[in-house]
Amino acid sequence: DIQMTQSPSSLSASVGDRVSITCRASQSISTYLNWYQQKPGKAPKLLIYGASSLQSGVPSRFRGSGSGTDFTLTISSLQPEDFATYYCQQTYSSLTFGGGTKVEIK
Amino acid sequence: QVELQESGPGLVKPSETLSLTCTVSGGSMTSYYWSWIRQPPGKGLEWIGYIYYSGGTSYNPSLKSRVTIAVDTSKNQFSLKLSSVTAADTAVYYCARVNPIAVEPFDYWGQGTLVTVSS
Repeated sequence: DIQMTQSPSSLSASVGDRVSITCRASQSISTYLNWYQQKPGKAPKLLIYGASSLQSGVPSRFRGSGSGTDFTLTISSLQPEDFATYYCQQTYSSLTFGGGTKVEIK
Repeated sequence: QVELQESGPGLVKPSETLSLTCTVSGGSMTSYYWSWIRQPPGKGLEWIGYIYYSGGTSYNPSLKSRVTIAVDTSKNQFSLKLSSVTAADTAVYYCARVNPIAVEPFDYWGQGTLVTVSS
């Protein structure tokens, strides 16, 4: 099974900050990596697919990068509505999610 | 706009079978995979499995022995059965559409339904 490890598990940031979240796969997954945002009590929302493609309707401040085993989700200027938990997901072999990164207000 | 809605009992007794249905509206089920995902309270997401509109399935190996996913395209529905449940199966259960591009992201989700396993 492919394990997905996200870091950090949580972070505190201020509005306007640049934030980066890392996801590492236990083996190479090419770019079979998707990112989701989840707010409390809501279903996850697709942000990035294929490691770097922005889902329609998602603000351009969200950027995904990486390939192989190391991936990053970057929010260029954190907005109030971005405080949420973020999950990576690999679909290269079977399907697994990372453990999540909670972005909190500093 | 595609919408998904989960339905089913919110309380299931230990050792019994959990049964949920996902109803798809606003689009066809044809040519898509359809998935179930769960999230225990306060924890992360766990993929359960998915089904192609024509019936082919793939399951999470850790749940495979207890899971059955079926589809009924005439009703625009797919379903989940999870047998021999325990308290560890208590979770919010989501259904989702799998986009058919290569990396298969989940692009539409239901709102989720909480299922509690308790006597």
